[in-house]
Amino acid sequence: DGGITQSPKYLFRKEGQNVTLSCEQNLNHDAMYWYRQDPGQGLRLIYYSQIVNDFQKGDIAEGYSVSREKKESFPLTVTSAQKNPTAFYLCASTTSRFDSGAGGYTFGSGTRLTVV
Amino acid sequence: AQSVTQLDSQVPVFEEAPVELRCNYSSSVSVYLFWYVQYPNQGLQLLLKYLSGSTLVESINGFEAEFNKSQTSFHLRKPSVHISDTAEYFCAVSDNLRNTGKLIFGQGTTLQVKP
Repeated sequence: DGGITQSPKYLFRKEGQNVTLSCEQNLNHDAMYWYRQDPGQGLRLIYYSQIVNDFQKGDIAEGYSVSREKKESFPLTVTSAQKNPTAFYLCASTTSRFDSGAGGYTFGSGTRLTVV
Repeated sequence: AQSVTQLDSQVPVFEEAPVELRCNYSSSVSVYLFWYVQYPNQGLQLLLKYLSGSTLVESINGFEAEFNKSQTSFHLRKPSVHISDTAEYFCAVSDNLRNTGKLIFGQGTTLQVKP
């Protein structure tokens, strides 16, 4: 079945460490997105990529980095510069940026990151 | 800039009662509107969407939402809820102006269905 796979489901990070969250999709979608979810704040966009080898900052990109070397993969690195990284991270994809989201997003099941 | 406001952070309701989850948006251009549902520790699932045409849209599990352009609202309703409807619900609007495919989400409403 096609879908988005996020791994790991739970991740613990020590302060000062970088960690990478994986996001893989087999839907042949062009556009991929990373959101951060905190209680009571909805979903906030971190980074997005509309084509391979290109990505743009979202609303809260500071302390995060991404790459898009393959169409199927859009990993997110939470760097030590992110001061409050504990959150639920969601990856999503959609067919094309040109559909203005009309096709709807497909979401992964999320990664819960905790700083210890 | 576009924004979405979900007017209630939590909505408690008894099983088999009707429910309305309110969503207002601000935008100077035409928009696409969405409702997503999230069960605990899971990703979001698309519940229904308004793109154009009939202002009343329905989902397969009994939810419906009505697009009201004059009031810039897209409230979600269900005439009779079940325990299994307990979840968090997100309203979202697409960024049609810049054609980026980005969605802007509201803060979420937690629906708590009580027996």
